[in-house]
Amino acid sequence: AQSATQLDSHVSVSEGTPVLLRCNYSSSYSPSLFWYVQHPNKGLQLLLKYTSAATLVKGINGFEAEFKKSETSFHLTKPSAHMSDAAEYFCVVSERSAGNMLTFGGGTRLMVKP
Amino acid sequence: DVKVTQSSRYLVKRTGEKVFLECVQDMDHENMFWYRQDPGLGLRLIYFSYDVKMKEKGDIPEGYSVSREKKERFSLILESASTNQTSMYLCASTLIGSGNTIYFGEGSWLTVV
Repeated sequence: AQSATQLDSHVSVSEGTPVLLRCNYSSSYSPSLFWYVQHPNKGLQLLLKYTSAATLVKGINGFEAEFKKSETSFHLTKPSAHMSDAAEYFCVVSERSAGNMLTFGGGTRLMVKP
Repeated sequence: DVKVTQSSRYLVKRTGEKVFLECVQDMDHENMFWYRQDPGLGLRLIYFSYDVKMKEKGDIPEGYSVSREKKERFSLILESASTNQTSMYLCASTLIGSGNTIYFGEGSWLTVV
């Protein structure tokens, strides 16, 4: 069975400092991995996705994530946080053996201090 | 741009009422999904549909049913609403295939009193 575990439910950073949101996954086969962002009272927007091509994936708004099979991790990073990055972030895993169903992590709320 | 539209953003219903949540997508996607989102639990799949009139149970189907009479429309039905169904409901759609982006609606906030 597939799963996504987000290691921190809340992360707080100062504006201009790096962001690290951690996600470990479990999957029987080669998974597809996604990061979605949800701003207050909004739906989910895709930040980036990994689908077995390059292990370092660049997304929108300066975010990127690295797929590390040996560590079963897919952490999301950004060099410099902006106030507008404050939102909830979800790590998502999908594998073909599960019918490409998405399994969501519990979410990480990112707070950005001025 | 893909659009997934949930017609009701905020609803308040009484316990025992029948509730319909409607979702429409405009990109001819085969797959459609209903999730509920609760604090600390992330998103949990209620039902999904991979074609017209086809449906499959997700992780938490109890107390819900769905209808997909047309490809673009996927409805979630609460036959008899209960207070533990107070939640945010998200509809999503995607093309069939591995790794395809899933597009989400903006959510429907349902409060059952």
